[in-house]
Amino acid sequence: AQSVTQLDSQVPVFEEAPVELRCNYSSSVSVYLFWYVQYPNQGLQLLLKYLSGSTLVESINGFEAEFNKSQTSFHLRKPSVHISDTAEYFCAVSELDSGYALNFGKGTSLLVTP
Amino acid sequence: DAGVIQSPRHEVTEMGQEVTLRCKPISGHDYLFWYRQTMMRGLELLIYFNNNVPIDDSGMPEDRFSAKMPNASFSTLKIQPSEPRDSAVYFCASSPLLEQFFGPGTRLTVL
Repeated sequence: AQSVTQLDSQVPVFEEAPVELRCNYSSSVSVYLFWYVQYPNQGLQLLLKYLSGSTLVESINGFEAEFNKSQTSFHLRKPSVHISDTAEYFCAVSELDSGYALNFGKGTSLLVTP
Repeated sequence: DAGVIQSPRHEVTEMGQEVTLRCKPISGHDYLFWYRQTMMRGLELLIYFNNNVPIDDSGMPEDRFSAKMPNASFSTLKIQPSEPRDSAVYFCASSPLLEQFFGPGTRLTVL
């Protein structure tokens, strides 16, 4: 069975600094990978996804993630964060044969301060 | 499209009462998912449907929980009787295939 590990529960960072949120998964089969963001008192929104093709995927607001099959990782990065990026970030995995259900990590709370 | 709609947004009830949470998925999406989010356990998948048929309900915690999808535009999650440990945010999500679109959630408090 697949599992998702987000190694950091909280990541404090200063505005305009770079950030990396780590995600590792365990699966022996082909997977689809996602990052979702949750702002306070809201539902989850898709940030970016890896389905196939290029291993580097980007979002419209400057985040990027790289699928590394050998390390079974899908880390999320941003070169310069804004105060508005403060939110909870969830990594999720779907296996090819799981009926498209998502298995979520525990989440990483990103806190950006001035 | 208005997105996934959930009602109520907040529910406060007393232990032992029946609670019904409602979800309207995005039109055309064949998959519907119910999740529960708590501080202790994070996001848990409770059940999901494909074309109105329950596919996997292994995440439903107990027989007190039940979910239905009578048609493609409506689903309910019922808890009867409710207990304080059921207090959580319950999310509904719909999907055309892979990407899931989440509703705003229902915050349930059982006293």
